[in-house]
Amino acid sequence: GDSVTQMEGPVTLSEEAFLTINCTYTATGYPSLFWYVQYPGEGLQLLLKATKADDKGSNKGFEATYRKETTSFHLEKGSVQVSDSAVYFCALVSGSARQLTFGSGTQLTVLP
Amino acid sequence: NAGVTQTPKFQVLKTGQSMTLQCAQDMNHEYMSWYRQDPGMGLRLIHYSVGAGITDQGEVPNGYNVSRSTTEDFPLRLLSAAPSQTSVYFCASSTNGRLQYEKLFFGSGTQLSVL
Repeated sequence: GDSVTQMEGPVTLSEEAFLTINCTYTATGYPSLFWYVQYPGEGLQLLLKATKADDKGSNKGFEATYRKETTSFHLEKGSVQVSDSAVYFCALVSGSARQLTFGSGTQLTVLP
Repeated sequence: NAGVTQTPKFQVLKTGQSMTLQCAQDMNHEYMSWYRQDPGMGLRLIHYSVGAGITDQGEVPNGYNVSRSTTEDFPLRLLSAAPSQTSVYFCASSTNGRLQYEKLFFGSGTQLSVL
């Protein structure tokens, strides 16, 4: 079945540091890939997505590129802020499936 | 525009009790779903619905019932609560369930403890 593997957390960075959160996947066919973010006490929000190989999703300074050859969708940001502290989830949907398959989430804490 | 509204935010139950978690959306979305979030396991789908009168099971449906009598509401029922159902529950909706292209809108969650 489909699965998503995320780098283990928690991750702690200083403000303005470079962020990478690794995500790899196993899926049949050509899935769509997503990053969702969960701020403290809130539900998940879509951060960015990519629906085909080599697509780059971007939003709020975050980027991720759909790499079919390495089955990866790593999240990056060049300069993190304290307000980026949250839990980040990588997820996928295969074809016409009616559910997202989520990774286990990575807790990010950014210190001033 | 309220989006997806879940009630209650917190609930404590004793083993064997029943309860209903409420979910309502005001975006006229056809697709609604329930996930549970457990530490180290991400989110797992419990049940989903693609329209009024239509429901289907997700990855972890045992111990839960759902119904969809209106487009707006999608309640989740625990018939006889067990400690294994201690979790955070999220309701999520999308326009028509074409999840490879649409985003999911999540409620703020219900934290449930079963003693």
